Amino acid sequence: DIQMTQSPSSLSASVGDRVTITCRASQSISSFLTWYQQRPGIAPKLLIYAASSLQSGVPSRFRGSGSGTDFTLTISSLQPEDFGTYYCQQSYSIPFTFGPGTKVDIK
Amino acid sequence: EVQLVESGGGLVQPGGSLRLSCAASGFTFSNYWMHWVRQAPGKGLVWVSRINSDGSTTTYADSVKGRFTISRDNAKNTLYLQMSSLRAEDTAIYYCAKSNGGYWYFDLWGRGTLVTVSS
Repeated sequence: DIQMTQSPSSLSASVGDRVTITCRASQSISSFLTWYQQRPGIAPKLLIYAASSLQSGVPSRFRGSGSGTDFTLTISSLQPEDFGTYYCQQSYSIPFTFGPGTKVDIK
Repeated sequence: EVQLVESGGGLVQPGGSLRLSCAASGFTFSNYWMHWVRQAPGKGLVWVSRINSDGSTTTYADSVKGRFTISRDNAKNTLYLQMSSLRAEDTAIYYCAKSNGGYWYFDLWGRGTLVTVSS
């Protein structure tokens, strides 16, 4: 199975801050990398697919980059509604696996 | 409205069975692969199973293989997960999700249904 890791595991930032979350795969997954946001008690929401494609309706302050084993999710200017846990997911091979999540709090 | 609505969760004893349902609306259900993803309380997301558009191909995580069966009824726009030989570690919120395109991302999720396995 492909193992996914994320860093940091949690962060606290102020509104307007630039936030960067890193995801690493245990082997190359090309661009088969997706980012989700999950707010407490709510289902995950798709943000970025194919490593860097922005899902329709998602604000442009979210940006994904990377390929191979190293990926990044950047929020250019953190907003109050961006709190929650962010997960990366590989879909290169079965079983699809998720990272452990990065919890984002607003200061 | 485009949505997925799960049902069928509840409390079940270890070794018991349960069938989850996921009703789809607002899109052409029969065109898409569908998945189940679960999340234990306070934990991360774990992919469980997938089924192709006509129900002829299924795949499972090793942790549920031989115990869970995914199926669908395209006439009823409904996805199912039959769970048997349930264990305490199967306790989780179970989400159904729709995947889109060759990159296998989940672009639509249900609200989830909670399954608790306990005596």
